[in-house]
Amino acid sequence: AQSVSQHNHHVILSEAASLELGCNYSYGGTVNLFWYVQYPGQHLQLLLKYFSGDPLVKGIKGFEAEFIKSKFSFNLRKPSVQWSDTAEYFCAVNAHEGSAGGFKTIFGAGTRLFVKA
Amino acid sequence: EADIYQTPRYLVIGTGKKITLECSQTMGHDKMYWYQQDPGMELHLIHYSYGVNSTEKGDLSSESTVSRIRTEHFPLTLESARPSHTSQYLCASRGAAAKTYNEQFFGPGTRLTVL
Repeated sequence: AQSVSQHNHHVILSEAASLELGCNYSYGGTVNLFWYVQYPGQHLQLLLKYFSGDPLVKGIKGFEAEFIKSKFSFNLRKPSVQWSDTAEYFCAVNAHEGSAGGFKTIFGAGTRLFVKA
Repeated sequence: EADIYQTPRYLVIGTGKKITLECSQTMGHDKMYWYQQDPGMELHLIHYSYGVNSTEKGDLSSESTVSRIRTEHFPLTLESARPSHTSQYLCASRGAAAKTYNEQFFGPGTRLTVL
């Protein structure tokens, strides 16, 4: 069955530290990959996405992610975090269900990031 | 900012009550979804719809039901709420893949507590 694994459930960093959140998925076909972020008290919103082309994608607020097909990974990175990056981050994979179905989105369990000021 | 709304935002009710969680979007999206989210857990898909009069059950078994009579409206109903239904319920919608690359837009969620 398709699945998405996020390696860390909780991460605590100091401001200006570098961030890398791991995400691995299990699906052999064509995928679209996403990172969503949920700031405290706010909606889940899209941070960045990979659809095709350059495997290094840049999103909002200085985040980037690299799609490594051979490793089935889509890790999220930011060189220097800020207190305002405190949020929960969800990795998601959109996989085609086959000729009869549409796309199915599978979410990881999420990683809670806390950035100390 | 996404134009997708959920009401109520918070709901505390007693066991056995019938409740309906509302979800509306003004983006004209055909596809809509209901997810259940518990702290520290994956978002679990419980219902989805690909358009008017189309509803399907998701991966996670749920005692709730949904309807899609209008494109913009996708309410979720629990006929008899139980404490095991306590959770956060997220509604989402998605437009045409060519325009939005299958990105889903989420509502603010309804946090349900059943006593």
